[in-house]
Amino acid sequence: SQQGEEDPQALSIQEGENATMNCSYKTSINNLQWYRQNSGRGLVHLILIRSNEREKHSGRLRVTLDTSKKSSSLLITASRAADTASYFCATDANRYSTLTFGKGTMLLVSP
Amino acid sequence: DAMVIQNPRYQVTQFGKPVTLSCSQTLNHNVMYWYQQKSSQAPKLLFHYYDKDFNNEADTPDNFQSRRPNTSFCFLDIRSPGLGDAAMYLCATFGGTGNYGYTFGSGTRLTVV
Repeated sequence: SQQGEEDPQALSIQEGENATMNCSYKTSINNLQWYRQNSGRGLVHLILIRSNEREKHSGRLRVTLDTSKKSSSLLITASRAADTASYFCATDANRYSTLTFGKGTMLLVSP
Repeated sequence: DAMVIQNPRYQVTQFGKPVTLSCSQTLNHNVMYWYQQKSSQAPKLLFHYYDKDFNNEADTPDNFQSRRPNTSFCFLDIRSPGLGDAAMYLCATFGGTGNYGYTFGSGTRLTVV
């Protein structure tokens, strides 16, 4: 299965702290993406990192990819209460395949 | 704003009574997907369309069908909903270019009573 596995399953931090979530996958990938889902809503695309990239930044988000370890991490710096959501990684095996999602990390940021 | 719209947001149906969920998009994306997401689980792909080309996942139950009459609309039909089909159903689109991922709708929460 291509499915990614995130850890931790749940993460609780205080506002201002950094949040780090990890994702591991099993087979080679074309790219890896991170999505955010607020409770009871659809998923929102956050960032995409290609298999030949090692690090990518977008605002307070930093994503790393280690293809040798088949793992990725998402760092949210200076977290805010509004960052409270579930975060999913998703991978595709090639340009024409569909995305397979992991089970997600539930992040709670307390004021 | 260009977006993916799912209707209704909440749907209650009776056990065994056919139900249809709808999705529309203004992005003119050629690929559309239906995912099923149960509580605290990963979204699971049911099927997708590349233009009119329909692709069914191997483990999608026959109870689930889909129609895409044109680029903008896609429907999910559940012929005989069971209690185990209660879930969030997510529609997504993909334009196939750039660094952008899928664009998701807000989902339809299906309850089976």
